[in-house]
Amino acid sequence: GEDVEQSLFLSVREGDSSVINCTYTDSSSTYLYWYKQEPGAGLQLLTYIFSNMDMKQDQRLTVLLNKKDKHLSLRIADTQTGDSAIYFCAESGHFGNEKLTFGTGTRLTIIP
Amino acid sequence: EPEVTQTPSHQVTQMGQEVILRCVPISNHLYFYWYRQILGQKVEFLVSFYNNEISEKSEIFDDQFSVERPDGSNFTLKIRSTKLEDSAMYFCASSENRGGHNSPLHFGNGTRLTVT
Repeated sequence: GEDVEQSLFLSVREGDSSVINCTYTDSSSTYLYWYKQEPGAGLQLLTYIFSNMDMKQDQRLTVLLNKKDKHLSLRIADTQTGDSAIYFCAESGHFGNEKLTFGTGTRLTIIP
Repeated sequence: EPEVTQTPSHQVTQMGQEVILRCVPISNHLYFYWYRQILGQKVEFLVSFYNNEISEKSEIFDDQFSVERPDGSNFTLKIRSTKLEDSAMYFCASSENRGGHNSPLHFGNGTRLTVT
């Protein structure tokens, strides 16, 4: 079945860029998503990219997709303390967003 | 911005009891979902629902689970006879369309279910 993998932890100094990586196995993925989960809160949609795109930029967020290597990354520029959270990568299959497969989540810690 | 709301935020129940988790999806959305996250594990798909019927379900969603849209606004998940392993955070989500085209899932804040 489909699988999505992420590293569990990332620590970044305040003001630096954070890069969170994700790999997936389903070559028929149509959409890839990044969700943010703050402590005790739900899953907040940050951004998503269609599989025929290589890059998407939205303010401080840049998503890069390497479809050949099935690798997705999220870059957060000028990382702030409010960016501390768990970041989930997720993909949806050929039939769209009926079912998302999530990664384990990467816990981003900001060092002052 | 419209959001998905879930109640209660925390539910404690005894093993064998029935629980109903409630969700109010975003009002113009047509597709509804339940996911769950067992502590320390991945977020897992349970079921999707469209046009008053289940459109897809996972292996987790066995006969103990059911979903319903009893009126025009609520979407509920019922667990008939809870087990200890049902303890998890349950997330409701909704999307405007199927097919993913500019129609991402929007999630609620979740209901933490604790079965004792």
